[in-house]
Amino acid sequence: GENVEQHPSTLSVQEGDSAVIKCTYSDSASNYFPWYKQELGKRPQLIIDIRSNVGEKKDQRIAVTLNKTAKHFSLHITETQPEDSAVYFCAASGGSYIPTFGRGTSLIVHP
Amino acid sequence: GAVVSQHPSRVICKSGTSVKIECRSLDFQATTMFWYRQFPKQSLMLMATSNEGSKATYEQGVEKDKFLINHASLTLSTLTVTSAHPEDSSFYICSARVTSAYQETQYFGPGTRLLVL
Repeated sequence: GENVEQHPSTLSVQEGDSAVIKCTYSDSASNYFPWYKQELGKRPQLIIDIRSNVGEKKDQRIAVTLNKTAKHFSLHITETQPEDSAVYFCAASGGSYIPTFGRGTSLIVHP
Repeated sequence: GAVVSQHPSRVICKSGTSVKIECRSLDFQATTMFWYRQFPKQSLMLMATSNEGSKATYEQGVEKDKFLINHASLTLSTLTVTSAHPEDSSFYICSARVTSAYQETQYFGPGTRLLVL
């Protein structure tokens, strides 16, 4: 089955800095890669996703890149703000659309 | 986006009792819903895939007789934790898959925090 590795587990940045979270996957058949943001005690919220026919996608301060050859994808957050502090999960899924989640990255943005 | 609700949001029960958690898709029909379990500071672990009108598909290591799943309609799936024990205490989250002509997206419920005393 699919195996998703996510790094780092914790990321601490100053407000205004950029944050990058990286994930790798094992199943070359995976073709959908969503990213979720989960605040403490709340539900995961989809923030951006990318499909395997695209190499990069951007939505305001958030961008995701995908390297199919290397089987890794990354989340980039620019101009971080304290409200970006949360746990971020990457996921990968294939034709069955049952995603496998990474372990999560706790992002802390210091004012 | 699509809205998924869960009830109850939190429950405290005695060891040995059964607890039912409901997951509803409020503004769409969901033929497939997923049930996850999340321990503190850990990732989402898929427990089972709930399919409307058929038996759920359980992940390896999840006891189907302990975690009963029923998906009787296109808007409701239930998870019943039978004979709950303290080690079943966790955050249970459901999600529903929304399918369009262009993509499939997963929307999560707000979760149910279960504490078994």
